[in-house]
Amino acid sequence: NAGVTQTPKFRVLKTGQSMTLLCAQDMNHEYMYWYRQDPGMGLRLIHYSVGEGTTAKGEVPDGYNVSRLKKQNFLLGLESAAPSQTSVYFCASSYVQGAETQYFGPGTRLLVL
Amino acid sequence: GNSVTQMEGPVTLSEEAFLTINCTYTATGYPSLFWYVQYPGEGLQLLLKATKADDKGSNKGFEATYRKETTSFHLEKGSVQVSDSAVYFCALRGGNYQLIWGAGTKLIIKP
Repeated sequence: NAGVTQTPKFRVLKTGQSMTLLCAQDMNHEYMYWYRQDPGMGLRLIHYSVGEGTTAKGEVPDGYNVSRLKKQNFLLGLESAAPSQTSVYFCASSYVQGAETQYFGPGTRLLVL
Repeated sequence: GNSVTQMEGPVTLSEEAFLTINCTYTATGYPSLFWYVQYPGEGLQLLLKATKADDKGSNKGFEATYRKETTSFHLEKGSVQVSDSAVYFCALRGGNYQLIWGAGTKLIIKP
């Protein structure tokens, strides 16, 4: 089992460019999450999904969109990247909502110039 | 609202030293509490947890006790190793089932 994988590992964007981050999990988890991690701050929830075809806003959803067309995949999109979106993005999944154990991917480091 | 406060890092210790990383929280009710660890280049993974007051979570030599009276969940280890070098995150699960995270504490262990 690969667990939770994220693509790409690192990306540099120019302001205004768009991109999609891909998260995939092979554990048949219902719940998936996108977080961002910034220096001196804890992880902040961007969006989450409680099942295939569903998405919901987290703490910091502005500037991001998500889709969960397949149960195993959770995509995070940036339509028009801004320097404030420079961060490390983590995807996670769990069996149930707010499960005690969330399984994390290795992260995507994004730099927006 | 719910929040988690951790001691600022980095924390630098010599091998075999005693470790304490402080974590305090603000929450309504009695949330579940967690410590996650992030090793270099990897995602976070659950280290230990406690779900009610006076519970002690333990794993890999690490311990933390849920102290309701002081709203704390400090992480301790009696003798650290170089391999324990990582970033440690304290978190709580709020009423809406979302995890609320501390800022993380970087731990550096020198041989």
